[in-house]
Parts: sequence; C-alpha cells; structure tokens
Amino acid sequence: KAGVTQTPRYLIKTRGQQVTLSCSPISGHRSVSWYQQTPGQGLQFLFEYFSETQRNKGNFPGRFSGRQFSNSRSEMNVSTLELGDSALYLCASSLLGSYSYNEQFFGPGTRLTVL
Amino acid sequence: AQKVTQAQTEISVVEKEDVTLDCVYETRDTTYYLFWYKQPPSGELVFLIRRNSFDEQNEISGRYSWNFQKSTSSFNFTITASQVVDSAVYFCALSEALQIQETSGSRLTFGEGTQLTVNP
Repeated sequence: KAGVTQTPRYLIKTRGQQVTLSCSPISGHRSVSWYQQTPGQGLQFLFEYFSETQRNKGNFPGRFSGRQFSNSRSEMNVSTLELGDSALYLCASSLLGSYSYNEQFFGPGTRLTVL
Repeated sequence: AQKVTQAQTEISVVEKEDVTLDCVYETRDTTYYLFWYKQPPSGELVFLIRRNSFDEQNEISGRYSWNFQKSTSSFNFTITASQVVDSAVYFCALSEALQIQETSGSRLTFGEGTQLTVNP
C-alpha cells in the first residue's frame, strides 16, 4: 500500500506570493491533517479535513487555508507569504472509525522556503 | 489547554548504551492518547507507539520500551542497547479524543522534540 505522498517536496517562493501544497492520503483514509514544523515553534497543528469538511483548526491566521476533495486528497494554500512561513509542512492521514482512534501516518513533507 | 514538554533538547550516547527520553504532558481531558514519533533526517515522522489514558501498562517492543505513569503525567521512552540507526529526533505527542457524530477525530500536540545522537 502506498504511503502518504506530498507534492512538491521542495518549493522556493518570495514574500507576497501564494503557494499551494498537495497531499494524497493512504488509500482508504478519509482524514487528512496538516502540520507546520519550524525550528522556533516546533510542530504545530494547522487543520484537519474529513469528508471534505474542515473539522478542526489550529491557531493560524486566515492566510492559511485548505480543502479536501471527494477522493480525500487535500491541498493547503498560503497567501501573501511571509518570511516566517518558511517551514516543513507535513501532511498526515488516518483511517477513522466509530469511536476509535487511528494512528496518523505522515508524509515526507514539503519544504517551503520564502525569500 | 494541552501541553507536552520534552525537557531534553539533545542527548548524545555511545552505541550500546541505554537511553531514556522523557515526556511530561498536561491535559484537562479524561480520555486522551499519547504517542511517540521518530523523525530521521529525511523528515518523515515515523509512528512508534500509541497509548490511551486508560491503559497504564508498560510496553516493550524489541529494544524499545515505554513507561506510562498517569500519576506523574509522564510517558517516557527507553531505547535499550542503542544503535547508530536510532539517531533521530524523537517527538512525544498528545491527542484529545473529539467525538463528532459517529466518528472521532483529533489533533496532535507535540513536544519540542529530543535530538538523539548515537555515536559508534
């Protein structure tokens, strides 16, 4: 079974631009979560999508948005990029069942550099 | 609010030494889950273990063992006879259980991570 894939793996943008990152979850997984990892703030939760609906949201400004498609693939968008948005963006998928918790499987991440 | 603290920023050991990574957590929830993840230089987070708040049994998996103590809100991770391949950043994480209709969702709160270096 293929793991979580993220594209692109590396991205360089300049301040003020916008960027879209893509995540394909493990086949059959319906939940996709996004995390930002920086040296200063560590790993922080951005948002979670399930059945095309955002169910959970972290404490990030509105410049960070996302969506999920009917095939569970997800994209996240960052508008008006700032230098501080430089980070490793990790996507995780999980297979959710009724009243049970399932592990989140992480992708390799997208390394975003903002110049 | 949830919080996870990994007080050890960096640990350096010599191969074959045992090493314990500490994790202390805070949560108001009665039902929660604790995790350990490994992040090698490639960047991908690798799941190691999950524990729910009702199961305080310690667990051993090969050279890895975990000590969950609810009384002290700790979930420590021990690697026995460490190897060079164990070198990585290790993260402890906490998740509350969100019950939404008939499905459960959650988000992970991570600790700061501990950089483990195992020298030959």
